[in-house]
Amino acid sequence: NAGVMQNPRHLVRRRGQEARLRCSPMKGHSHVYWYRQLPEEGLKFMVYLQKENIIDESGMPKERFSAEFPKEGPSILRIQQVVRGDSAAYFCASSPNGRNTEAFFGQGTRLTVV
Amino acid sequence: AQKITQTQPGMFVQEKEAVTLDCTYDTSDQSYGLFWYKQPSSGEMIFLIYQGSYDEQNATEGRYSLNFQKARKSANLVISASQLGDSAMYFCAMREGQGGGFKTIFGAGTRLFVKA
Repeated sequence: NAGVMQNPRHLVRRRGQEARLRCSPMKGHSHVYWYRQLPEEGLKFMVYLQKENIIDESGMPKERFSAEFPKEGPSILRIQQVVRGDSAAYFCASSPNGRNTEAFFGQGTRLTVV
Repeated sequence: AQKITQTQPGMFVQEKEAVTLDCTYDTSDQSYGLFWYKQPSSGEMIFLIYQGSYDEQNATEGRYSLNFQKARKSANLVISASQLGDSAMYFCAMREGQGGGFKTIFGAGTRLFVKA
């Protein structure tokens, strides 16, 4: 009965490196959402994906950030050339459909850029 | 404009007492969903309760209930019989829209401290 699995839980990157965050949704869930949480703030929506499709990326920064959810395997959030301002907790959530039901969150990946 | 407003940055409550965490929202959609999540110090997001905009009765889940006042656009969380383990950040959130793009918008959160 695995929930949403995110890895790694903690990630340290030097400025300029790439960060790859993985999210495996709950079994049977084909909708994935990524959120970013800065310290002492609420979660901010980044991107909503279904299998092989980006549905809404209105919260994604225009540069350096990308997301995918391939037919096989986990969803990946990629941040290229990380900067200190990218340090945050990144949460993934999944749901079985896109309607108004609760989404189940992973435990998050805490990215620290040094 | 703020879509979700939580006006209480921090709240204190005595153990075993009830506490209300405020949340107001703003939307022009007729169909939307309201959520409360708990985030303990360990960092994970725990779903607590959900209220659909067309639900006529207030949602309840164990010690959690949602005081939904649609005309006032408020969705306050009531925690009865507070426990020490309830100390955490609490986020109110709204999901709107019927088509694609069911993004959820979160409030800034309320930090609840339960005193022994």
